[in-house]
Order: sequence, then structure tokens, then C-alpha cells
Amino acid sequence: DAGITQSPRYKITETGRQVTLMCHQTWSHSYMFWYRQDLGHGLRLIYYSAAADITDKGEVPDGYVVSRSKTENFPLTLESATRSQTSVYFCASSGRGGSPGDTQYFGPGTRLTVL
Amino acid sequence: KNEVEQSPQNLTAQEGEFITINCSYSVGISALHWLQQHPGGGIVSLFMLSSGKKKHGRLIATINIQEKHSSLHITASHPRDSAVYICAVRQGGGADGLTFGKGTHLIIQP
Repeated sequence: DAGITQSPRYKITETGRQVTLMCHQTWSHSYMFWYRQDLGHGLRLIYYSAAADITDKGEVPDGYVVSRSKTENFPLTLESATRSQTSVYFCASSGRGGSPGDTQYFGPGTRLTVL
Repeated sequence: KNEVEQSPQNLTAQEGEFITINCSYSVGISALHWLQQHPGGGIVSLFMLSSGKKKHGRLIATINIQEKHSSLHITASHPRDSAVYICAVRQGGGADGLTFGKGTHLIIQP
């Protein structure tokens, strides 16, 4: 029972480079989410997806792109990384029954550093 | 103005003490979540509430929808309860992600 996984767990990149963070869940959950966690701000929603091919912006979407061609995968791409995107990124999923109000299950996080 | 406010921000207590962490929110919600983040960084969902009270082991969560307030209680606290506890709300009106408080850093000393 793999649950929800993220890769890589740690990433160091340079300003201007493209970076893709991967998220994979094995529960066939309908809903998937990307959050970032920063000191002083707590967790904030970047993007979410209600189903394959359906995505929507959260609180802090600028500089990020998402896609969801398959239910189990929800990659997050930083098209041109900036230092302000240094953060810990968490993926989450919910909704065995398709309800967004269900418990959210979090991945282990990806610590991204942009130099 | 943060839509979800938690108090206290930091709490240190002795093993065995009864712990209360409070969460107030200013928006309409469809559900409130309590999460635990361990020192290693992993986040675990403890409770999801839309009304009333839930209990799991030594943890109790309550919510008062009219007062827009929730509390998380820990009875007979133990050093392994040391973690950051985060309150989060799912707002009504179609926004599907969670809005988070900044967390309460709890340390239980033996």
C-alpha cells in the first residue's frame, strides 16, 4: 500500500531553470492538491485538481503550472524557478467518494532550494 | 488578516497535562481539519469536523459553527505528542483546497 508519494524528496536548482515535482497516489482519489509551506506563512494552496484534466488555481499559483492527464499523477512544474519559490512542497489527495470535504492525505514533501 | 487564527503559537507543558489548542476562523466553512506535523516534516490528518465533537484515543476535537471556533484537546499528554498542530478550513462556496492556520508548536517535557 504505497499511498501517496512525492519525488524528488530534495532538490537544489538554479534561478531560471525549469523544475518538475512529481506526485503519485495509489488510491484513485478524485481530488489532488499542491501546497507550499514557508516560515511565517504556513501552508498555502498552489493548485488543485478535481479529476483528470480538471485543474484550478489556489491562493498562490503564479510561476507554477500543473497537469493531470492520469488520475494517479499530479505533477507541479516551476517554469522558470525563482529564489522566492524556495520552499517545502506538499502534495495531498482526498475523496474516495469524490467529495472534496473528505480527509486529505499528505505526501512526505519535497524540499526545494533555488539558488 | 489571516482567515484562520490559532492560539497559542507556542506551548510547552509537562507530561500528563491537559492541552488545549484553539482555532478561530472568519469565513464560512464546510469542514474544519486538524493536522499534526511531526518534527520530521510529515503531515497527518487527525480530525475532520463539520459539527459537534470527535474523539480518537487521547485526542478530542470540538467545533462551534455559530462562534466559528474549534478546539483540539490532548488528555494525559506525552512527549510523543510534541509536534506542530495545524488547523485548516475548507471554505464553502466551491473553493476546494484548505486554508491553514500558522500552527501551534507543542512541546511536552518529560
